[in-house]
Amino acid sequence: GAVVSQHPSWVICKSGTSVKIECRSLDFQATTMFWYRQFPKQSLMLMATSNEGSKATYEQGVEKDKFLINHASLTLSTLTVTSAHPEDSSFYICSARPTSGTDTQYFGPGTRLTVL
Amino acid sequence: QKEVEQDPGPLSVPEGAIVSLNCTYSNSAFQYFMWYRQYSRKGPELLMYTYSSGNKEDGRFTAQVDKSSKYISLFIRDSQPSDSATYLCAMSGGDSSYKLIFGSGTRLLVRP
Repeated sequence: GAVVSQHPSWVICKSGTSVKIECRSLDFQATTMFWYRQFPKQSLMLMATSNEGSKATYEQGVEKDKFLINHASLTLSTLTVTSAHPEDSSFYICSARPTSGTDTQYFGPGTRLTVL
Repeated sequence: QKEVEQDPGPLSVPEGAIVSLNCTYSNSAFQYFMWYRQYSRKGPELLMYTYSSGNKEDGRFTAQVDKSSKYISLFIRDSQPSDSATYLCAMSGGDSSYKLIFGSGTRLLVRP
């Protein structure tokens, strides 16, 4: 149980294009999902908290117009990187907090984004 | 000072050894404590979850929380090469934000 999927697992795009990453909780409902970014050999950096049916809460320094988050259902959140640039290349990981049960988060497998 | 301190390692041990991983923290409001394992280029996998102080055992893994000392540990018995990964401690205060505060992660290498 407690499986979170991400799609795509990796993506290469040209500078200036937009990329959408999906995060799904497969066997539980998640009112709250989180988006993280991780650079090589570093820990996870929280980008934003996504709540179903409401606007996302962004961490300080994260551009909300660049990283668009939509949490349309209790099992799906999307992150869209708009007008991507090479510096946006990174490993993006989502997590989902079960609506009922323990106060923890289950992580997706991550999406590796490379912007050329 | 970071809210959560974790030795980055790397920690290298022979197969079969007992591994001890630790984190210290400064925020006494933390109530939920987790250990995640992350393989290279993968998302973190939840290993252990503990609420408040005490011990929890699951197979070869034992998690300990000492809130009075603000110190948590993860013990791995009979370590295997497949345990080689980065181990992240995480904790939260149970507030409405549900945010996790992570340690920097400890790289573990179990030598065959």
